[in-house]
Amino acid sequence: ETGVTQTPRHLVMGMTNKKSLKCEQHLGHNAMYWYKQSAKKPLELMFVYSLEERVENNSVPSRFSPECPNSSHLFLHLHTLQPEDSALYLCASSQASGRIDNEQFFGPGTRLTVL
Amino acid sequence: AQSVTQLDSQVPVFEEAPVELRCNYSSSVSVYLFWYVQYPNQGLQLLLKYLSGSTLVKGINGFEAEFNKSQTSFHLRKPSVHISDTAEYFCAVSDNFGNEKLTFGTGTRLTIIP
Repeated sequence: ETGVTQTPRHLVMGMTNKKSLKCEQHLGHNAMYWYKQSAKKPLELMFVYSLEERVENNSVPSRFSPECPNSSHLFLHLHTLQPEDSALYLCASSQASGRIDNEQFFGPGTRLTVL
Repeated sequence: AQSVTQLDSQVPVFEEAPVELRCNYSSSVSVYLFWYVQYPNQGLQLLLKYLSGSTLVKGINGFEAEFNKSQTSFHLRKPSVHISDTAEYFCAVSDNFGNEKLTFGTGTRLTIIP
């Protein structure tokens, strides 16, 4: 595997379910990100991790819980979601956080549908 | 706070014709500017970026963009498009405080007509 991978690619869940999204980067980067991409809306930054520590949490509801066990893996744990949480969730990584000239490399995303 | 406006949600263009995708931003401070491309069923990929220096920036796949501070614009251009350019294009801005927080526009879907 190369670049940034995300699993699953598609997920359908009920509002009472608990599920997790997984992201893995094979680039040796130190920073990882979660974004939410909704139809007709700008891409929203949700969380930033640098060297496995959370450095940014953009007022995301607590029903989204990130986890970064090491610099190569990032999870997004989901519970009691709402239908408006249906979106494409993108993971990205970069060499390091805190520098805008560090290019972010994106995974293909997980298409989440909440029923 | 910054904001980005991409006025055209969809742009159809004939193959081998030129294209311009518009991006305007607002910010109270100096900014860095980016264009990303998202091909079907893929993540975003950086096309080009303006950090400083020459206002004409060249990127991958023959794209270029020009930073115009007075008009607060960063329009993306390509002189001759190909079928493979069919994708969604996102303009993004960040303040120049040296962090990775990007503010994205809503995207422009470019469709190439054979």
